[in-house]
Amino acid sequence: EDQVTQSPEALRLQEGESSSLNCSYTVSGLRGLFWYRQDPGKGPEFLFTLYSAGEEKEKERLKATLTKKESFLHITAPKPEDSATYLCAADLNYGGSQGNLIFGKGTKLSVKP
Amino acid sequence: NAGVMQNPRHLVRRRGQEARLRCSPMKGHSHVYWYRQLPEEGLKFMVYLQKENIIDESGMPKERFSAEFPKEGPSILRIQQVVRGDSAAYFCASSPWSENTGELFFGEGSRLTVL
Repeated sequence: EDQVTQSPEALRLQEGESSSLNCSYTVSGLRGLFWYRQDPGKGPEFLFTLYSAGEEKEKERLKATLTKKESFLHITAPKPEDSATYLCAADLNYGGSQGNLIFGKGTKLSVKP
Repeated sequence: NAGVMQNPRHLVRRRGQEARLRCSPMKGHSHVYWYRQLPEEGLKFMVYLQKENIIDESGMPKERFSAEFPKEGPSILRIQQVVRGDSAAYFCASSPWSENTGELFFGEGSRLTVL
């Protein structure tokens, strides 16, 4: 069964304390790997798309990387406003339609001042 | 440019009633997706629609659930004879592209509570 697993479930950091979130996938044919941010009571907000192993994308304090088995979201010197749930999603190339993404359960990040 | 608009934001129904959730995609977007988020679970794909067409409904429960995206007006997700297990947040997303980039624009969700 195709799966996306995120770890840890929750992460507490002090402001300025860098860390990484993990997304491992066991999917038979990856078309793309995506990261979203979700604030409480809101819908997910798109962050990055990664298509191939070795690819990296950056945005402010966030950097996403992709290997053949997993993706990492690195957070450098986080600030309290980075507190949110970060979601990872996989798009498969088995023939499913666009937008039919498999989401992980997310990592809830809390950054304390 | 308004984002994806969903209403109602909160809906309470008793078992056996019907729930109708509406979604207006972003201006210029012709692709609409519905996802469901159960408590403590990840987002689950339900259905992908274009105007007047259901493209992929592989995630829709076989019974009681239906979706449409008419030529005019919002997309509607309809749940008939609701049960407690239908309590969840239902998210609509839209995109303007025919090629999938994974960049979906989500609304703020409709939270259904079944009593």
